[in-house]
Amino acid sequence: KQEVTQIPAALSVPEGENLVLNCSFTDSAIYNLQWFRQDPGKGLTSLLLIQSSQREQTSGRLNASLDKSSGRSTLYIAASQPGDSATYLCAADYGGSQGNLIFGKGTKLSVKP
Amino acid sequence: DAGVIQSPRHEVTEMGQEVTLRCKPISGHDYLFWYRQTMMRGLELLIYFNNNVPIDDSGMPEDRFSAKMPNASFSTLKIQPSEPRDSAVYFCASSLQGAPMVPQHFGDGTRLSIL
Repeated sequence: KQEVTQIPAALSVPEGENLVLNCSFTDSAIYNLQWFRQDPGKGLTSLLLIQSSQREQTSGRLNASLDKSSGRSTLYIAASQPGDSATYLCAADYGGSQGNLIFGKGTKLSVKP
Repeated sequence: DAGVIQSPRHEVTEMGQEVTLRCKPISGHDYLFWYRQTMMRGLELLIYFNNNVPIDDSGMPEDRFSAKMPNASFSTLKIQPSEPRDSAVYFCASSLQGAPMVPQHFGDGTRLSIL
């Protein structure tokens, strides 16, 4: 069964700290791995998408890595800010099509000023 | 640009009633997805459409759930009859066809409570 796990479920850090969020997936035959952000009462916003042939993607203070062989992805957030507080979800695309995303349950991040 | 628009934002109704959730995808998007999010199960895909045609409805939990997309700018998810265990946040998302690696754009969801 294809599963995506995110640990920890919640994380609290002081402002300015660098942090890493973890995502693991059971089936390494993924097409891509996506990271999303979800604010309370809102939908998901796509942050980064890593294709299976890539090792990492960067956007501003965010860097996502992908290691298919170990079934892991990480989202690195540099110099965290209170505005980064949200739930971060990763999703593995197994179908190569648009509809086969398997989501983790997310890590709720709180950045304290 | 307008994003994915869902209505209503909140719905509270009694068990046994029919519930209809609505979604307007981003103009020009070819794919439309319906998801359900709960604390226990996280985010699950219910059904998705390509060019208004249902492609995969294997995630629809029961026959009480049905979805339609009569045109490119509108979709509905209907639950009849509703049950308390259907309480969840239901999201609609859309994306472009063509590029193999494109993100899905999500609406703000409908928070459904069945009493």
